[in-house]
Amino acid sequence: GAVVSQHPSRVICKSGTSVKIECRSLDFQATTMFWYRQFPKQSLMLMATSNEGSKATYEQGVEKDKFLINHASLTLSTLTVTSAHPEDSSFYICSANGAGNTIYFGEGSWLTVV
Amino acid sequence: QKEVEQDPGPLSVPEGAIVSLNCTYSNSAFQYFMWYRQYSRKGPELLMYTYSSGNKEDGRFTAQVDKSSKYISLFIRDSQPSDSATYLCAMSADTGGFKTIFGAGTRLFVKA
Repeated sequence: GAVVSQHPSRVICKSGTSVKIECRSLDFQATTMFWYRQFPKQSLMLMATSNEGSKATYEQGVEKDKFLINHASLTLSTLTVTSAHPEDSSFYICSANGAGNTIYFGEGSWLTVV
Repeated sequence: QKEVEQDPGPLSVPEGAIVSLNCTYSNSAFQYFMWYRQYSRKGPELLMYTYSSGNKEDGRFTAQVDKSSKYISLFIRDSQPSDSATYLCAMSADTGGFKTIFGAGTRLFVKA
């Protein structure tokens, strides 16, 4: 089946620094990937839609200058959290469409900003 | 009113019980319905995918969609402690995964 991989699974960074999270589709090409944020015991919140070769589409309330998304190839999208602050600490999950128009999720990345 | 309503639980059942998880929705345009299982600190895992109305069975899992009532269900037979997780329903009106709406997730605990 389709597999979506995220890296790193866990990262700790200092406040004010930037951190990059990668999302890869391992056995299929994904022109579109999605980035979500999930707080403990809450559901997924769509942050942005990543489009290969073009600008990402951000959901209302999501700062595009803070959460930089790059989708440079059909198998890789990256999310960079710039000038991270403790309130950015969260679980970030990416997803991509596999066969049959279903969504497959990555394993998620835990970000802790100290 | 939220587009998708799902009781967050928690739902606690004994091992071997039949579990019923449900979601209601308001958008009659939804045609694609999915159930995901999410273990703590992990990404969601696709369990079931259904197009339009009807039933779909996969092992101990059965998904039902009743579009006339705007109601979907996931049944788990012979529940096991390993089924303890959060179950998210999801649905969308079109292909491509755009504007997929997720339920809040129901936390399930299966006691040994």
